[in-house]
Amino acid sequence: DGGITQSPKYLFRKEGQNVTLSCEQNLNHDAMYWYRQDPGQGLRLIYYSQIVNDFQKGDIAEGYSVSREKKESFPLTVTSAQKNPTAFYLCASKVPGNNEQFFGPGTRLTVL
Amino acid sequence: EDKVVQSPLSLVVHEGDTVTLNCSYEVTNFRSLLWYKQEKKAPTFLFMLTSSGIEKKSGRLSSILDKKELSSILNITATQTGDSAIYLCAVAPNTGNQFYFGTGTSLTVIP
Repeated sequence: DGGITQSPKYLFRKEGQNVTLSCEQNLNHDAMYWYRQDPGQGLRLIYYSQIVNDFQKGDIAEGYSVSREKKESFPLTVTSAQKNPTAFYLCASKVPGNNEQFFGPGTRLTVL
Repeated sequence: EDKVVQSPLSLVVHEGDTVTLNCSYEVTNFRSLLWYKQEKKAPTFLFMLTSSGIEKKSGRLSSILDKKELSSILNITATQTGDSAIYLCAVAPNTGNQFYFGTGTSLTVIP
């Protein structure tokens, strides 16, 4: 089955630790996205990538980093520089010329 | 600055009621507006609107775009408890691949 997978589903982190959230897609989509969602808020763009080895900062990139070494994979690292990382993180992808985004199931990150 | 605003932020209705959710936008070089439903996890696609005045319909849900007013509405008739969710509006510009999302409307349908 084609789709987007994210792992883990739940993640707990101690303050000061870096953590990496996984996002994989087998839809052959070029563009991939990372969003953050806080309670009562919509989706805020962290980073997006239009092609392999290329990515752009979104509105709230500070404290996050990404890589795009393969078309299928777009991992997000939440660094210790991110002051308030507890949130729900969603990964998405889309094909060029199509405005519909496909979302993964999300990862809920909690900082202890 | 490009932005998308949704209203109301939250809404509680009884089963059988009809609701109207609003989305207004200020986005340079508008291409399309999308509506998503988010229950617990991933948002699921509802509608994509590109032309003004043409209603999109799926069962009890319908949506229409007004490019003159830079807005869209999402209507849900005869609401059911299964309609309880966050409804997200997003706008895609002509250039680039970035989407702009609103804050969402949280709808609760009580029996």
